[in-house]
Amino acid sequence: SQKIEQNSEALNIQEGKTATLTCNYTNYSPAYLQWYRQDPGRGPVFLLLIRENEKEKRKERLKVTFDTTLKQSLFHITASQPADSATYLCAVYNFNKFYFGSGTKLNVKP
Amino acid sequence: GAVVSQHPSWVICKSGTSVKIECRSLDFQATTMFWYRQFPKQSLMLMATSNEGSKATYEQGVEKDKFLINHASLTLSTLTVTSAHPEDSSFYICSASGQGSSGGEQYFGPGTRLTVT
Repeated sequence: SQKIEQNSEALNIQEGKTATLTCNYTNYSPAYLQWYRQDPGRGPVFLLLIRENEKEKRKERLKVTFDTTLKQSLFHITASQPADSATYLCAVYNFNKFYFGSGTKLNVKP
Repeated sequence: GAVVSQHPSWVICKSGTSVKIECRSLDFQATTMFWYRQFPKQSLMLMATSNEGSKATYEQGVEKDKFLINHASLTLSTLTVTSAHPEDSSFYICSASGQGSSGGEQYFGPGTRLTVT
């Protein structure tokens, strides 16, 4: 089995700053790790995927890192905007299925 | 991008009745569909995995006779909650992966809010 840990406390940052969210997994190194955005009452939206042999992946203002030694992924949003406010979920793929963290809520204040 | 729809988006039913939720991949063929439930401020919990044309694989603790899953085609999967009870009230979300996802991404539907009274 696999347990995914994300900071349950909301992250509050000022517009324009970089938001950094953390995802830790407890057991087996996943084949890949994904980040999703979820708005209230909606399904998650896929953002980025990073494989176990990749250290970093970027997409526009988003950056994901993957450290298999620390069993950790960091998710960065640079030049954050109020529209980035949402809950961000981390998911890992092991044993032919996905395990999700409970998400971290990000609040970007203008 | 890949689009997944769910219907209905919300439903209220009486205890003891059955409810069917549809999940459709609109612009790609979904070889695999997943059904999740999510309680407020909690993680998505995988209920079952279904592959087109075969029986669904249920997670431990999920009653297959209560949560009937049918994946009849590459674009449609249904979840039927039979003899629903108030404790079945939750947010049900489907996702799909397949020919539209090159690296294992899942595309989620918008979710269905089920309330059992």
